[in-house]
Amino acid sequence: HLQESGPGLVKPSETLSLTCSVSGGSISSGNYYWGWIRQPPGKGLEWVGNIFYNGRTYYNPSLKSRVAIKMDMSKNQFSLKLTSVTAADTAVYYCARRAVVTADFDFWGQGTLVIVSS
Amino acid sequence: SSELTQDPAVSVALGQTVRITCQGDSLRSYFASWYQQKPGQAPVIVMYAKDNRPSGIPDRFSGSSSGNTASLTITGAQAEDEAHYYCNSRDSSGNLVVFGGGTRLTVL
Repeated sequence: HLQESGPGLVKPSETLSLTCSVSGGSISSGNYYWGWIRQPPGKGLEWVGNIFYNGRTYYNPSLKSRVAIKMDMSKNQFSLKLTSVTAADTAVYYCARRAVVTADFDFWGQGTLVIVSS
Repeated sequence: SSELTQDPAVSVALGQTVRITCQGDSLRSYFASWYQQKPGQAPVIVMYAKDNRPSGIPDRFSGSSSGNTASLTITGAQAEDEAHYYCNSRDSSGNLVVFGGGTRLTVL
């Protein structure tokens, strides 16, 4: 089970911060990546980035300069920070588990809507 | 190339067969996964590693791949299959993730 949490409203130019709490399994498993995917209203899915248990991160090149994903093993959580947000970053943000071998996102959180507006 | 291309919309008559396709250069090297998304809900995986169906997904769903094209076939489409479908794979480097633009399936 994955659950996103964080502010639903962020001002332009500020930093979007979300946390994904994982239950029913450990994020320290080497069998999975832990990732973020977003979906602007009425649009398709966009991969934001993944993190592996060893801290290695992979980011969407279009967001790489503004995004950071980190893990907190003690809390079994991972987080997303997206800096200098604009209205274009308004989206439902999903956290998800991605299998290393088959490369699919097999479990998803319910998603959280983040609106960028002043 | 890091793009996956899907038809924006497809329709099928109730009980008939429909194929949803996904094209991209990276599919020559890597398998696709498929996700079903209904309004207001998170995506749900319906096919992984080309032709593997997760538990709980009806056997009317099947997957295949040839060259640069992956396909999701629904044999005997039901009203509850009406949804958006997204394909997903690695990019050509193998390190990054790409999603197709999605196909809206209408069951008539």
